[in-house]
Amino acid sequence: AQRVTQPEKLLSVFKGAPVELKCNYSYSGSPELFWYVQYSRQRLQLLLRHISRESIKGFTADLNKGETSFHLKKPFAQEEDSAMYYCALMDSNYQLIWGAGTKLIIKP
Amino acid sequence: DAGVTQSPTHLIKTRGQQVTLRCSPKSGHDTVSWYQQALGQGPQFIFQYYEEEERQRGNFPDRFSGHQFPNYSSELNVNALLLGDSALYLCASSFGGPPGAYEQYFGPGTRLTVT
Repeated sequence: AQRVTQPEKLLSVFKGAPVELKCNYSYSGSPELFWYVQYSRQRLQLLLRHISRESIKGFTADLNKGETSFHLKKPFAQEEDSAMYYCALMDSNYQLIWGAGTKLIIKP
Repeated sequence: DAGVTQSPTHLIKTRGQQVTLRCSPKSGHDTVSWYQQALGQGPQFIFQYYEEEERQRGNFPDRFSGHQFPNYSSELNVNALLLGDSALYLCASSFGGPPGAYEQYFGPGTRLTVT
């Protein structure tokens, strides 16, 4: 079954500390994986896509096919990173399958 | 470009009623996907429209139906509303196949409350 799991509903870290948001997936094919972010009172927006290998707002994510993971990382958290983060997998029919999301709180 | 727009912003309906939600895609996009997001959950795919036809459908009953118009805007209809249909309904637009299909742009959502 196709599934995306984000084990942490809430993650709270201090400003300047490293951040890692976990995402594990289950998919039989070659996955297209994404991280979406939703800031307070804003709409969902694409943060990054695994194939682009870009660093957006200091965030990176590496696809680990052996561990079926796509964790999101940032070395030094900033207060403006506080938001809801969703990991999503796109199947071969361009359908997005979503995790339940992790609320990230950056403490000053 | 206003991006993806949805209307109404929120509405309240009674069990058994029918509701229609509307979505206008981002300029240049021809594909519209609809998602249901229950409180505390990630979005769940309802269906996707491309070239005025339903291209893909998630695990939702036939009470959920849709339409896409020649200008690419779309409607989501839900019949015989249940309390469990209360959720945020998101519309996302994209352009055709890859690579455009990989970037979905979301609207602000419509909050539906069924009483």
